[in-house]
Amino acid sequence: GNSVTQMEGPVTLSEEAFLTINCTYTATGYPSLFWYVQYPGEGLQLLLKATKADDKGSNKGFEATYRKETTSFHLEKGSVQVSDSAVYFCALSDHGNRDDKIIFGKGTRLHILP
Amino acid sequence: DGGITQSPKYLFRKEGQNVTLSCEQNLNHDAMYWYRQDPGQGLRLIYYSQIVNDFQKGDIAEGYSVSREKKESFPLTVTSAQKNPTAFYLCASSPQQGNQPQHFGDGTRLSIL
Repeated sequence: GNSVTQMEGPVTLSEEAFLTINCTYTATGYPSLFWYVQYPGEGLQLLLKATKADDKGSNKGFEATYRKETTSFHLEKGSVQVSDSAVYFCALSDHGNRDDKIIFGKGTRLHILP
Repeated sequence: DGGITQSPKYLFRKEGQNVTLSCEQNLNHDAMYWYRQDPGQGLRLIYYSQIVNDFQKGDIAEGYSVSREKKESFPLTVTSAQKNPTAFYLCASSPQQGNQPQHFGDGTRLSIL
């Protein structure tokens, strides 16, 4: 079946550091891939997405590239800010599953120190 | 603005009591979902609905019930059979077609008195 595996947190970085949060997936079809962000006490917000191999999703300085050969969708940001502190979820949607459910990773908590 | 509204934001339940969490969307989405999130944990799917008057159990449906009488609304009832209901509950919706992302409400935090 389909699955998403992302690195365990918490991840603690200093402001302006480079960020990578790893995400790998298993899918039987041709999934779309997503990164969501959750700030404390709120719901999830879509951060970026990619719908096919080699697509790069980007938003608010975050980027992730859909790598079919390594089944990965790692999240990166060149210079993090304190306001980026949140929980990040990698997810996939595989319409070939015919149930339209999204599979979420377990989330990675990010702490940015000033 | 289109979006998903969950209410109330905080809810308290007495032992043996059923409570209903509201979820309304004006995005004209066909599919709606309920998730449970425990502290420091990921999302677990409770129920989902792809069309009006139809819904399916997710991974942790026991102790919960739903209805989908209108496209815009997907209320979740936490019954007294759910022995550990304290959690953060998230409602989401998505278009039916294709690999579309889900849109989330701001959640309801349920606690036991």
